[in-house]
Amino acid sequence: QKEVEQNSGPLSVPEGAIASLNCTYSDRGSQSFFWYRQYSGKSPELIMFIYSNGDKEDGRFTAQLNKASQYVSLLIRDSQPSDSATYLCAVNGPGTYKYIFGTGTRLKVLA
Amino acid sequence: GAVVSQHPSWVICKSGTSVKIECRSLDFQATTMFWYRQFPKQSLMLMATSNEGSKATYEQGVEKDKFLINHASLTLSTLTVTSAHPEDSSFYICSASRGTTNTEAFFGQGTRLTVV
Repeated sequence: QKEVEQNSGPLSVPEGAIASLNCTYSDRGSQSFFWYRQYSGKSPELIMFIYSNGDKEDGRFTAQLNKASQYVSLLIRDSQPSDSATYLCAVNGPGTYKYIFGTGTRLKVLA
Repeated sequence: GAVVSQHPSWVICKSGTSVKIECRSLDFQATTMFWYRQFPKQSLMLMATSNEGSKATYEQGVEKDKFLINHASLTLSTLTVTSAHPEDSSFYICSASRGTTNTEAFFGQGTRLTVV
């Protein structure tokens, strides 16, 4: 079983819509959760991180964490064509610096 | 966010030669740096975790004699691909963390290595 799972997509949404990206993880002891965006040919850039159950909002982005169900999601409101990229979910376990990445979800925002 | 600088951004080398890639944290001290490799349309594969002043911890299947990692200071880690072969051609990315657990990691801009 993969440690961090994401649907590879592509997920296509129209411009202005809400894009919902999901990620599940297998290690129940995981403590930190990160969302990175990666444009083709570029390295990942951090969008958000979340440590506690519930929602965390930052501009058009909202991260949601549910530790009981072992999933973390990212909502992108008012999606723009420039949001088209691959979104990587990463999980960091307790007492370790190691990040486990999912395979990423490719998002396409259609103008 | 913090700034991590990686150099060079691309390099072409001949088969059998060695290539060194540098990763610097510009505005913070990085106790821990990570080296990843990414093949086209695949996710990041962690190669090794580099801690300042100690030997790197390599992931299973990564040859430590081929991928030499040096983390000589709190702001610099280097990855040397020795005796490079065409199958080593990939996108190599470093990331750096402030060193405490559960903190975000920041990525360098990546190095595209092509071995001909």
